[in-house]
Amino acid sequence: GEDVEQSLFLSVREGDSSVINCTYTDSSSTYLYWYKQEPGAGLQLLTYIFSNMDMKQDQRLTVLLNKKDKHLSLRIADTQTGDSAIYFCAERAFSGGYNKLIFGAGTRLAVHP
Amino acid sequence: EAGVTQFPSHSVIEKGQTVTLRCDPISGHDNLYWYRRVMGKEIKFLLHFVKESKQDESGMPNNRFLAERTGGTYSTLKVQPAELEDSGVYFCASSPAKVGGTDTQYFGPGTRLTVL
Repeated sequence: GEDVEQSLFLSVREGDSSVINCTYTDSSSTYLYWYKQEPGAGLQLLTYIFSNMDMKQDQRLTVLLNKKDKHLSLRIADTQTGDSAIYFCAERAFSGGYNKLIFGAGTRLAVHP
Repeated sequence: EAGVTQFPSHSVIEKGQTVTLRCDPISGHDNLYWYRRVMGKEIKFLLHFVKESKQDESGMPNNRFLAERTGGTYSTLKVQPAELEDSGVYFCASSPAKVGGTDTQYFGPGTRLTVL
């Protein structure tokens, strides 16, 4: 079945890089997403990557995709205190002509001075 | 443009009571989804509407949950009677496209349901 796994917690120092990892099981997933949830807020789409890409860069964010290992990572350069949040990895599952998202449990990123 | 809105933001009820959650999607979005996150676990898919029709309700936990989207605009999710294990955060999302493209789902802030 479809499953997405993430480590639950990551602590980094302000200014360092953060790397959040995710593994997924559905090799037919066409899109993979990273969502961010700040305290008291909803899910904000951070970035996504299409399955025929290995890497996508968007300002401080770099997404790496290893399709062979079904491994996705999100790197945040120069991590700031405002980056403290829960980060959810999600794969898009195609079912009956429509899409639904399969999420991981989320990685809580704590940024300390 | 207004985003996805959900009401209430937080609901506290007793076991056995009924609660109705509401979601207003982004205007013009035909697709509306409900998801739930229980006890810090993964966010799980509940169901998907295309306009007023239920396209996929494979994630609905049991028949105590009833979702509607009359008129294809806003949606309600009713839990009757609520049980302790129904506590969690209920997210609503909407997207404009059927298939193809990114079909990005835009999420609301969620409703935190606490069943005592």
